[in-house]
Amino acid sequence: AQKITQTQPGMFVQEKEAVTLDCTYDTSDQSYGLFWYKQPSSGEMIFLIYQGSYDEQNATEGRYSLNFQKARKSANLVISASQLGDSAMYFCAMSPRSNDYKLSFGAGTTVTVRA
Amino acid sequence: DAGVIQSPRHEVTEMGQEVTLRCKPISGHDYLFWYRQTMMRGLELLIYFNNNVPIDDSGMPEDRFSAKMPNASFSTLKIQPSEPRDSAVYFCASSFGPDTQYFGPGTRLTVL
Repeated sequence: AQKITQTQPGMFVQEKEAVTLDCTYDTSDQSYGLFWYKQPSSGEMIFLIYQGSYDEQNATEGRYSLNFQKARKSANLVISASQLGDSAMYFCAMSPRSNDYKLSFGAGTTVTVRA
Repeated sequence: DAGVIQSPRHEVTEMGQEVTLRCKPISGHDYLFWYRQTMMRGLELLIYFNNNVPIDDSGMPEDRFSAKMPNASFSTLKIQPSEPRDSAVYFCASSFGPDTQYFGPGTRLTVL
C-alpha cells in the first residue's frame, strides 16, 4: 500500500515569489509514478506534472518543477514566479507502474498568493 | 480533444432516492477510475475499470454503490438508496495504461 504525506495544510506566498510544497511518500514498489494536481476553487482537478521513479532528471513543466529525492522518498513541487491564479489546493499523488494504476492522494496543501 | 465528460455537474436529491452519475472517458483511454472527495476523507478511489472490466472495487463503500462500464465510452456510478453521508464530489478520471489520469469536472452530489 502507498501512503502520501503532505504536511503543510496551508501556505501564503507573495506574488512573483517561488513556493515549495512538500510531499513525502511510502511504497514498497520499485517502479512508480508521482503526480501533482491543482484544484482551484472551481473544483476541477488539473494535472500539473509527472515524475517517474526511474527518471534521473527532475521533471519540469513551465513554472512547475518537481524536486525528486528518491532516497528520501520526497517529491516536492516548486512553483516559480507565483501568480494570483496559482491560488488553489495542490495534491501530491502516486501510483504503481506495474499492473495496478490507482492513484493514492495526499491530504493537499492550500496555497494563497498575495498581491 | 474533449476531456473527460461527467454529468450531471450538480445533483440534489432526497434520502432514499436512486442517483446515477455518468462519465465519458477520453477517447482511446483504456482505464477509467471513479473517485470520491469529501472534507473528512479527502480523495479516495472507489472503483476502476480496464478495457470495460472492473478490476478493483475495494473502495466501494457498500452494496448501495454499483458501477458499470457497458462500453469503452461510457460508465455509470449508481447509488441506491442514497443517504446524506453520500454527499460528496464524485470524479471520473481516465488514462492510457499507467500514464497520467485526467479528471472530469466532477459531480457535486447533495443528499438531503
